[in-house]
Amino acid sequence: DGGITQSPKYLFRKEGQNVTLSCEQNLNHDAMYWYRQDPGQGLRLIYYSQIVNDFQKGDIAEGYSVSREKKESFPLTVTSAQKNPTAFYLCASMGRTNEKLFFGSGTQLSVL
Amino acid sequence: SQQGEEDPQALSIQEGENATMNCSYKTSINNLQWYRQNSGRGLVHLILIRSNEREKHSGRLRVTLDTSKKSSSLLITASRAADTSSYFCATDGSDSSYKLIFGSGTRLLVRP
Repeated sequence: DGGITQSPKYLFRKEGQNVTLSCEQNLNHDAMYWYRQDPGQGLRLIYYSQIVNDFQKGDIAEGYSVSREKKESFPLTVTSAQKNPTAFYLCASMGRTNEKLFFGSGTQLSVL
Repeated sequence: SQQGEEDPQALSIQEGENATMNCSYKTSINNLQWYRQNSGRGLVHLILIRSNEREKHSGRLRVTLDTSKKSSSLLITASRAADTSSYFCATDGSDSSYKLIFGSGTRLLVRP
């Protein structure tokens, strides 16, 4: 069953802690994305990667880091520098440019 | 930022009526896409229109694109209760077709 898997579905972060959100795809897509969504708002781009071992900052990259060591995986780390991390995080992938995005089911991150 | 802005922010209609949502953006694009999102879920792709197209249809969906006004509209005809959702437009940029930016969304409620 092809698709994008995000885990965990819910995640809690303590003050000063780094947490990592997982995103895996088996669609053989080159491009992958991380978006942040606050309640009642649109999606804001954090990072995106066009190809393995390469990624670019989006509009709100501060306080976040990513890696793209494998085509299938694009983990997002929310660092302690991100002072307001509570949000819904969405991962997506795209096969080729000018095509549609496929989305995972999201991870809700909350601060304890 | 080429982020799109959508209006209205919220729309409530009776089942069977048509729903129209608008999206405006700031910079040149290669294509514009529309997605829907049910609460707490990932986004689902609806339709993609390229910058050299003016109108596109898919089932009960009709999308128009006016590049001179940097705007697009999504029309849902003969709405159903199942169309209740949030709708977002997404644009790429002429500098990077991989960098996809979403608008703030329209929340549509279709009353039975």
